Amino acid sequence: KNQVEQSPQSLIILEGKNCTLQCNYTVSPFSNLRWYKQDTGRGPVSLTIMTFSENTKSNGRYTATLDADTKQSSLHITASQLSDSASYICVVSPDHLGGGSYIPTFGRGTSLIVHP
Amino acid sequence: SAVISQKPSRDICQRGTSLTIQCQVDSQVTMMFWYRQQPGQSLTLIATANQGSEATYESGFVIDKFPISRPNLTFSTLTVSNMSPEDSSIYLCSGLQRMVSSYNEQFFGPGTRLTVL
Repeated sequence: KNQVEQSPQSLIILEGKNCTLQCNYTVSPFSNLRWYKQDTGRGPVSLTIMTFSENTKSNGRYTATLDADTKQSSLHITASQLSDSASYICVVSPDHLGGGSYIPTFGRGTSLIVHP
Repeated sequence: SAVISQKPSRDICQRGTSLTIQCQVDSQVTMMFWYRQQPGQSLTLIATANQGSEATYESGFVIDKFPISRPNLTFSTLTVSNMSPEDSSIYLCSGLQRMVSSYNEQFFGPGTRLTVL
């Protein structure tokens, strides 16, 4: 069964500090992995997307890494801001070429709170 | 990138009534999905909306409770029927779009926050 596990479940940090969120997955065959940011009461917004051939992708202060061999990804947030307070969701899509499932698997998310 | 809008953004409904949520995408998407997100939880896929045919439902969701339409490539509706307080949740529309680099990008609407009294 395809699974995506995220850790920690929640995290509280001070403004200006860095943090790293983790994502482990069992989805196979693998197509791509995405990190989303979801503000309270809003829909998820894509931060990064990586295919199996990419091992790092940056979007401003967000840097995602991917190790397709160990099926692990991380999202690193640098110099956190109050506006970074949100839920961060890891989503893994299978490779559906050849007729397999196209349905992405969602992690439960990490709730990040940035305090002033 | 696709922009997805939903109507209504929120509603408070009485038990036993039904609510239809509309989803509009500003460009063609290959697939459309409906998700439910309960407080503090991640997204749960309800169904894949198929153009011109019956939606494909995930385990635990049935057409009688969540009828879905998708008359064209950019519009879909989800109806929550015979509502109970357990249906209180955020309902999200999503579209999958093929990108130039060959992978699929998934976009989400802002969600509809439903409260059933």
